[in-house]
Amino acid sequence: QKEVEQDPGPLSVPEGAIVSLNCTYSNSAFQYFMWYRQYSRKGPELLMYTYSSGNKEDGRFTAQVDKSSKYISLFIRDSQPSDSATYLCAMSLGGSYIPTFGRGTSLIVHP
Amino acid sequence: GAVVSQHPSWVICKSGTSVKIECRSLDFQATTMFWYRQFPKQSLMLMATSNEGSKATYEQGVEKDKFLINHASLTLSTLTVTSAHPEDSSFYICSASDRGTGANEKLFFGSGTQLSVL
Repeated sequence: QKEVEQDPGPLSVPEGAIVSLNCTYSNSAFQYFMWYRQYSRKGPELLMYTYSSGNKEDGRFTAQVDKSSKYISLFIRDSQPSDSATYLCAMSLGGSYIPTFGRGTSLIVHP
Repeated sequence: GAVVSQHPSWVICKSGTSVKIECRSLDFQATTMFWYRQFPKQSLMLMATSNEGSKATYEQGVEKDKFLINHASLTLSTLTVTSAHPEDSSFYICSASDRGTGANEKLFFGSGTQLSVL
């Protein structure tokens, strides 16, 4: 079993839809949970960063962490074609530990 | 926001030649920089971790003599692919963590380098 599981997709949705992206993990010691967005042939950019369980909202994006289920989600409201990208989840023990990345979910938002 | 500049963004070279990729943190000091390799539709594969002024730590299976990493200053790390072969063709991405925070959970990535070896 991989430490972080993420469905590669692609996930295709119409513009304006609510998108739900998810990751599961096996290491209960993870404390930090991140979502990165990566456009084609570009480096990832940090979208959301959450410590421990709970929700965090930033504009159209909401990150949710359920440590009891070892499950994290990223919700995108009112999705736009410009949201079309690969979304990678990442998790870390914190401090000097290196984050573990999921393989990414490809999202396509069509007009 | 923290900016990491990576050059070149795209390079084609002949088999047997060496290629150097630069990674610079523009507005912060990077204690640690990471080098990743990414195949199409795959996740990031960590190749090595470099700390300023010390030798890089390579992940299992990554050839140290093939992928030379130098982290000469708090703002610059370089990856040199020596005697490149077609199987080295890939997308290489660097990232850095901010020395001020001292934490690696917030990584800032370069824009990546697509290497094609003929």
